[in-house]
Amino acid sequence: DGGITQSPKYLFRKEGQNVTLSCEQNLNHDAMYWYRQDPGQGLRLIYYSQIVNDFQKGDIAEGYSVSREKKESFPLTVTSAQKNPTAFYLCASSPRPDPETQYFGPGTRLLVL
Amino acid sequence: GENVEQHPSTLSVQEGDSAVIKCTYSDSASNYFPWYKQELGKRPQLIIDIRSNVGEKKDQRIAVTLNKTAKHFSLHITETQPEDSAVYFCAATSYPNAGGTSYGKLTFGQGTILTVHP
Repeated sequence: DGGITQSPKYLFRKEGQNVTLSCEQNLNHDAMYWYRQDPGQGLRLIYYSQIVNDFQKGDIAEGYSVSREKKESFPLTVTSAQKNPTAFYLCASSPRPDPETQYFGPGTRLLVL
Repeated sequence: GENVEQHPSTLSVQEGDSAVIKCTYSDSASNYFPWYKQELGKRPQLIIDIRSNVGEKKDQRIAVTLNKTAKHFSLHITETQPEDSAVYFCAATSYPNAGGTSYGKLTFGQGTILTVHP
């Protein structure tokens, strides 16, 4: 999992602002995922992408958007439509599209000013 | 969609005791069941996984058992140590488009906070 990086480590969002979280991997993995983790709760899937130029909504996609223009990169934008964005955001990747071992990045903590 | 229930939500044991965490799932097509350990403020790390064609898998002090008929699987940690203290998550695969060509995804349980007292 050392091959997955997320930036920034902390991010502050002002009301009405869109912010973008970065996720990069150099593992040559096909699939990438974004999860949201709230205190004391499990991981909830926001979006996932199994191949370049394709992605699917997860369980809580409203207020978020993604792109997958390159195999190595899967940025997540938290839009102003997401009214409760404060959370720990985790990016993950897996070698192939079918579910198997997912390797997680270090996470980005998003806070609202 | 898939529903994964995990119990207990918190578990406290004495060093050297065993710990057991149980998960149930709803999607009969699920075929991959990983367990992750997450220390405070850190990323989840895979500790063991099992596929549907296997009933039990062991790795040193950690073991996972799977009962496909009953749709439940469990994590067993023996001879617990203080460094085992963390949050543990189970997960199961699910397939949003049954019978279609969509690839699957993982659905996670709510997590178990394990505390091992010296």
